[in-house]
Amino acid sequence: QVQLQESGPGLVKSSETLSLTCLVSGSSLTSYYWSWIRQPPGKGLEWIGYVYYSGNTKYNPSLKSRVSISIDTSEKTFSLKVTSVTAADSAVYYCVRTASAESFDIWGQGTMVTVSS
Amino acid sequence: QSVLTQPPSVSGTPGQTVTISCSGSSSNTGTYAVNWYQQVSGMAPKALMYSHNQRPSWVPDRFSGSKSGTSASLAINGLQSEDEAYYYCAAWDDSLNAVIFGGGTKLTVL
Repeated sequence: QVQLQESGPGLVKSSETLSLTCLVSGSSLTSYYWSWIRQPPGKGLEWIGYVYYSGNTKYNPSLKSRVSISIDTSEKTFSLKVTSVTAADSAVYYCVRTASAESFDIWGQGTMVTVSS
Repeated sequence: QSVLTQPPSVSGTPGQTVTISCSGSSSNTGTYAVNWYQQVSGMAPKALMYSHNQRPSWVPDRFSGSKSGTSASLAINGLQSEDEAYYYCAAWDDSLNAVIFGGGTKLTVL
């Protein structure tokens, strides 16, 4: 079955760059968008952005200046970078397969990232 | 405050029917597909409903969705204890140029 697995540091220092990678198994990367969504502790969901298999991207304007998402189809991975992080970026980060109409159909288990001062 | 408005909580007893609403505007739910997600405590969200009323294969037909104007609803028939979770609606928003989520509704099965 389709599985997504996030990996990366669980602790990032304030003002540094958060980097996460998502490994996709059981699904072709083509014909889908690949998203990152985050959830601060005890709060709701926030869409960060997505990348298409071609490399085209779309970001949430609220984060656009600090975010980049890339894809490596040969490695079956896609990645997230968030620069100049603050405590407000502490959250569980989910990588998510995205079908048409921005429907998020398969989610990774999530990885908690804490920004420390 | 979320652009998509959901009730913070709903509750019901086993076997009952509960409905969760999601209210937006012409720039989001009034124009675009509304999708629903279920998040059991401590777990990742799971897709529950696409394009207002299309269920993924893993979702039982006790769950149904609808949309009218700028509001969407999720109905759960024959409530079961395993349905206790947070439920989020989501849609594209033209004004914000982003996917937006509702604030989430906590369903308690009494």
